[in-house]
Amino acid sequence: EAGVVQSPRYKIIEKKQPVAFWCNPISGHNTLYWYLQNLGQGPELLIRYENEEAVDDSQLPKDRFSAERLKGVDSTLKIQPAELGDSAVYLCASSRNPGQGKDTQYFGPGTRLTVL
Amino acid sequence: GDSVTQMEGPVTLSEEAFLTINCTYTATGYPSLFWYVQYPGEGLQLLLKATKADDKGSNKGFEATYRKETTSFHLEKGSVQVSDSAVYFCALSSGGSNYKLTFGKGTLLTVNP
Repeated sequence: EAGVVQSPRYKIIEKKQPVAFWCNPISGHNTLYWYLQNLGQGPELLIRYENEEAVDDSQLPKDRFSAERLKGVDSTLKIQPAELGDSAVYLCASSRNPGQGKDTQYFGPGTRLTVL
Repeated sequence: GDSVTQMEGPVTLSEEAFLTINCTYTATGYPSLFWYVQYPGEGLQLLLKATKADDKGSNKGFEATYRKETTSFHLEKGSVQVSDSAVYFCALSSGGSNYKLTFGKGTLLTVNP
């Protein structure tokens, strides 16, 4: 079974530029998560999707961040415009069965963003 | 709100030494508890989990027991190897309608030959 795929793995941009990250979850996983991991910290949830619906986006800075999950499979996370403080690793995770509350989340390798 | 506190690193051990990484939590209700590991250049991988009090999760020689009375989930391994060098994250999920994972800050483990 293929794991969670993310691209790109690394991205370097200048501040005020837009950037997008892509995630393909494990086949059959209905729930998709985007996490932000700052250096030396644990991941923090940005947004959770169940199928194509964003059911928890309370931690997503909506002034500059947006996300979509068309057709309930792949997802894209966008930042526009990027700021220096956005430099971090952006992790995507997926799990199989929404609604159980104890299901295992499987993580992708992440995208490391550097904003200059 | 939910929170996880784990011992600060870095932790440096010699091969075959005993490992303990402490983790305590604060949560509403009865959370599920997890240890994730992050090897250099890779994503987070689930190491083990426990979903109710007194459960013991185990994998690859690592163990952790869900202690409700002390709100702890300490990670242990009897004999570490160089290949265990990684960052270890303790995490919880409160379940209910909130499926997000709340992570600790991570503990860097380095095992020397």
